[in-house]
Amino acid sequence: KAGVTQTPRYLIKTRGQQVTLSCSPISGHRSVSWYQQTPGQGLQFLFEYFSETQRNKGNFPGRFSGRQFSNSRSEMNVSTLELGDSALYLCASSLSTGGYEQYFGPGTRLTVT
Amino acid sequence: ELKVEQNPLFLSMQEGKNYTIYCNYSTTSDRLYWYRQDPGKSLESLFVLLSNGAVKQEGRLMASLDTKARLSTLHITAAVHDLSATYFCAAEDSGNTPLVFGKGTRLSVIA
Repeated sequence: KAGVTQTPRYLIKTRGQQVTLSCSPISGHRSVSWYQQTPGQGLQFLFEYFSETQRNKGNFPGRFSGRQFSNSRSEMNVSTLELGDSALYLCASSLSTGGYEQYFGPGTRLTVT
Repeated sequence: ELKVEQNPLFLSMQEGKNYTIYCNYSTTSDRLYWYRQDPGKSLESLFVLLSNGAVKQEGRLMASLDTKARLSTLHITAAVHDLSATYFCAAEDSGNTPLVFGKGTRLSVIA
């Protein structure tokens, strides 16, 4: 069974631009969560989607948004990029919401210059 | 608000030695996870601990959970270089809340 895939794997953007990251969950998984990982703040939860609905949201500004499609694929968008948005963005999928084990994708490394 | 603390944050150990990584969490947690991350890579699931007294072992790693003490441990036996990585614990305080991660323990096993 294929694992979680994320595209692109690496991205370089300029301050003020926007970016869209994509995540395809494991087949049959319906919940997708996003995390931001930085050396200073560690792993922080961004949001979770299940059945195309946002179930939980972390403490991030409104510049960070996401969505989930009917095939469970998910995208996250960051608008008006700041230098501090440089991070590894990890997507994780699970069978359902509510305490199911999460499986992580390889991540997207975003660098903002 | 659930908080998860790991210690130590950095650990350098000699091959063949034993050591323990500690993970404390602040509120009641339904389940506790341990992950491994190699540099530049994603998170690999190691253990899921679901109940008080749970103990799981895989190779040289053994994880345990004491829900009364709100403590999980990851014990490393006879360390080898291949275990060098960053280890994270994560907890969730109910089934509908997101995972909260510790800051990770960067383990370096030296000859």
